[in-house]
Amino acid sequence: GDSVTQMEGPVTLSEEAFLTINCTYTATGYPSLFWYVQYPGEGLQLLLKATKADDKGSNKGFEATYRKETTSFHLEKGSVQVSDSAVYFCALSLRNNNAGNMLTFGGGTRLMVKP
Amino acid sequence: KAGVTQTPRYLIKTRGQQVTLSCSPISGHRSVSWYQQTPGQGLQFLFEYFSETQRNKGNFPGRFSGRQFSNSRSEMNVSTLELGDSALYLCASSLDQGSYEQYFGPGTRLTVT
Repeated sequence: GDSVTQMEGPVTLSEEAFLTINCTYTATGYPSLFWYVQYPGEGLQLLLKATKADDKGSNKGFEATYRKETTSFHLEKGSVQVSDSAVYFCALSLRNNNAGNMLTFGGGTRLMVKP
Repeated sequence: KAGVTQTPRYLIKTRGQQVTLSCSPISGHRSVSWYQQTPGQGLQFLFEYFSETQRNKGNFPGRFSGRQFSNSRSEMNVSTLELGDSALYLCASSLDQGSYEQYFGPGTRLTVT
């Protein structure tokens, strides 16, 4: 079946450090890829997305590139802030109507940024 | 636009009881999906409704059910609650089927004692 694998956390960084959170996927079709972020006590917020190979999603300084050859969608940010502390989820959704809108999530990676 | 709303936000139930959770999607969104989030199993898909019809169902027992109304609001019901049903239940809405951006509500935290 389809699956998403993320690096396990927690990831602890100092403010202004460079962030990479690895994400790889297995899918039978042609997925769209997403990163969601969850702050304490809240639901999930869509951070960025990419719908086809070589697309780069970006938002709020975060970036991820859809790499079909390596089946990866790694999340990066050049300079993290304390306010980026949260749990980050990589997810996929297959692009066919039979799959509807079902998201398959990775296990989540907790990021802690220290001042 | 108002976001996805879920009620109640917190719920405590006793094993064996049943519970109904409610979700109001973003105005104009016709697809509503439900997810269960637990520390052990992570985020798992429960089911999706579109135009009052269940379109997809995850791998959960029949105790978990849902429905969608003509105004796209959705409810999910869990009967004969078990301790393992304690979780954060998240609802997500999207504009249409095949529209892949899902917007999540804040969730309902269910505790079964």
